[in-house]
Amino acid sequence: DTGVSQDPRHKITKRGQNVTFRCDPISEHNRLYWYRQTLGQGPEFLTYFQNEAQLEKSRLLSDRFSAERPKGSFSTLEIQRTEQGDSAMYLCASSLAGAGLQETQYFGPGTRLLVL
Amino acid sequence: DAKTTQPNSMESNEEEPVHLPCNHSTISGTDYIHWYRQLPSQGPEYVIHGLTSNVNNRMASLAIAEDRKSSTLILHRATLRDAAVYYCILLLSGAGSYQLTFGKGTKLSVIP
Repeated sequence: DTGVSQDPRHKITKRGQNVTFRCDPISEHNRLYWYRQTLGQGPEFLTYFQNEAQLEKSRLLSDRFSAERPKGSFSTLEIQRTEQGDSAMYLCASSLAGAGLQETQYFGPGTRLLVL
Repeated sequence: DAKTTQPNSMESNEEEPVHLPCNHSTISGTDYIHWYRQLPSQGPEYVIHGLTSNVNNRMASLAIAEDRKSSTLILHRATLRDAAVYYCILLLSGAGSYQLTFGKGTKLSVIP
């Protein structure tokens, strides 16, 4: 399967710990997005990369959150000093630039984070 | 900020057509209408998109009103696998951004 993959699929951590999630996009896709989804809500945009450049960040991305895409391929999302309010599903999506407003994003299965 | 309005939930019988409405009264002339769906415990998946003309693909059809202030996603024969939350999303021209702004969507239940 050559879709978007995310690791781990589930993570339980204690408040105050740091966590890191990984996303592997579809191989030829140059855009990569991170979203967060809490129970009963639609996903909310966090940030996006074009190649290795982080081009947009949401207000939701506090300074405890950092995302990287060092070689323009996989990406990591780190949350430092986790809080219970960080409990959510973290979704990654990738796309191929060039289609403009007809761009289609392909989502991974998500990483479900529970902060105790 | 163009927004969409969808019913919170809908029900359909299996094997029957389903029409999922979306209102987007503040849409501008070059904003695209996209639909995604999210099956339980999965990430969202693309369904269809359009600008002005009606669109068909293997998953669904998209009917866009002449004034573009509303659209309808049509599933021609609902199956149990179509039970999901369906999101109607606008990609805004001039926004310089391709992020998807999800609302709460419509939760579709399919009755066997």
